[in-house]
Amino acid sequence: LAKTTQPISMDSYEGQEVNITCSHNNIATNDYITWYQQFPSQGPRFIIQGYKTKVTNEVASLFIPADRKSSTLSLPRVSLSDTAVYYCLVGAYGGSQGNLIFGKGTKLSVKP
Amino acid sequence: NAGVTQTPKFQVLKTGQSMTLQCAQDMNHNSMYWYRQDPGMGLRLIYYSASEGTTDKGEVPNGYNVSRLNKREFSLRLESAAPSQTSVYFCASRGLNRENIQYFGAGTRLSVL
Repeated sequence: LAKTTQPISMDSYEGQEVNITCSHNNIATNDYITWYQQFPSQGPRFIIQGYKTKVTNEVASLFIPADRKSSTLSLPRVSLSDTAVYYCLVGAYGGSQGNLIFGKGTKLSVKP
Repeated sequence: NAGVTQTPKFQVLKTGQSMTLQCAQDMNHNSMYWYRQDPGMGLRLIYYSASEGTTDKGEVPNGYNVSRLNKREFSLRLESAAPSQTSVYFCASRGLNRENIQYFGAGTRLSVL
């Protein structure tokens, strides 16, 4: 199972773009990369997922290089409400694989 | 649509007591999971159930048992609670025909005195 490494914490200011990088050197061919966001006292919630290149949705962008050994979550123009812990997760697409491992996450603090 | 529902939301136990944390999902998902999260830590997988009728150990299964009662429900039991089991417990589910997106409940905050 691919494990991930992320920075423990990051600080930013409102209106800035934030990029959080995750390393997953032993990612498998059929693994997808998924990012979750967790606010205090809540369960994690899905943000974005990708397999290769770039994926964008209304919340974030995900950049994945050709070797797929890392990925970068990009949050455009963050606000105070983006203060949360962000988790990078790798795991197989579909199927019944159950054992998905979360890392320690990156605590993002957005300041006014 | 309730998603993943966990009960209770809060619980205080004395050392040695037993209890069962309940989890139910209404999304017809095949896979269900139990995680624990300690202060300042990430989520650690306790047990998971890839499909109805099957359960498997995760990273930290010691001191816990699980039951996949049916497709909807996945319970976590502490037979003899210990202070080291003080944590926030999250249940999650995942569908078979989607990418590996998990949907989480709101959590159960457990204190063992």
